[in-house]
Amino acid sequence: AQKVTQAQTEISVVEKEDVTLDCVYETRDTTYYLFWYKQPPSGELVFLIRRNSFDEQNEISGRYSWNFQKSTSSFNFTITASQVVDSAVYFCALSEVPNYGQNFVFGPGTRLSVLP
Amino acid sequence: ETGVTQSPTHLIKTRGQQVTLRCSSQSGHNTVSWYQQALGQGPQFIFQYYREEENGRGNFPPRFSGLQFPNYSSELNVNALELDDSALYLCASSLDPGQGAGANVLTFGAGSRLTVL
Repeated sequence: AQKVTQAQTEISVVEKEDVTLDCVYETRDTTYYLFWYKQPPSGELVFLIRRNSFDEQNEISGRYSWNFQKSTSSFNFTITASQVVDSAVYFCALSEVPNYGQNFVFGPGTRLSVLP
Repeated sequence: ETGVTQSPTHLIKTRGQQVTLRCSSQSGHNTVSWYQQALGQGPQFIFQYYREEENGRGNFPPRFSGLQFPNYSSELNVNALELDDSALYLCASSLDPGQGAGANVLTFGAGSRLTVL
């Protein structure tokens, strides 16, 4: 069965600090996709990144970076020089089926508070 | 490009009642998925609709049902409401599942918050 664990329930940092959000997943499939979504107080989940299981290259997008390690089944997310606008709940998700009947399994989320 | 819109944004029902939630998918998307997000938890997959048919279902009882219309909009219906049905219901649209790499990026609406008393 597939499962996503985000061990950090809440994190508080001061603005400009770097912060890493952890994600550990379980799957028996060899083909899968991993995602990060951001949920601000408005409630709408905002897509941040998708990574497929065959692409272990780390990715950087502005202040955001992602570290995917299949050996440890982890897909961690780092925000560099955090800002108050980064305050939100962040979800890691796993999709084993990229096509029909797609079923995303979300982790419980990590609430990030960036203090001014 | 129009995003995913959901209505109503908030509603209150009593136990045993029925509720219908509505969702308009993002322009160009023909697949709609529904998720339930209880307070403090991650979203849980309810079901997906593609070509007006249910195309995958999570671990939810039959009193959760849905529809997809020819314009790709969708409804989620919940009968015999229970207190535990109180949650944020999220609709997400995506491309044709058969379109490969781009297919499974979900675009979410802001949700409908249901309170069952």
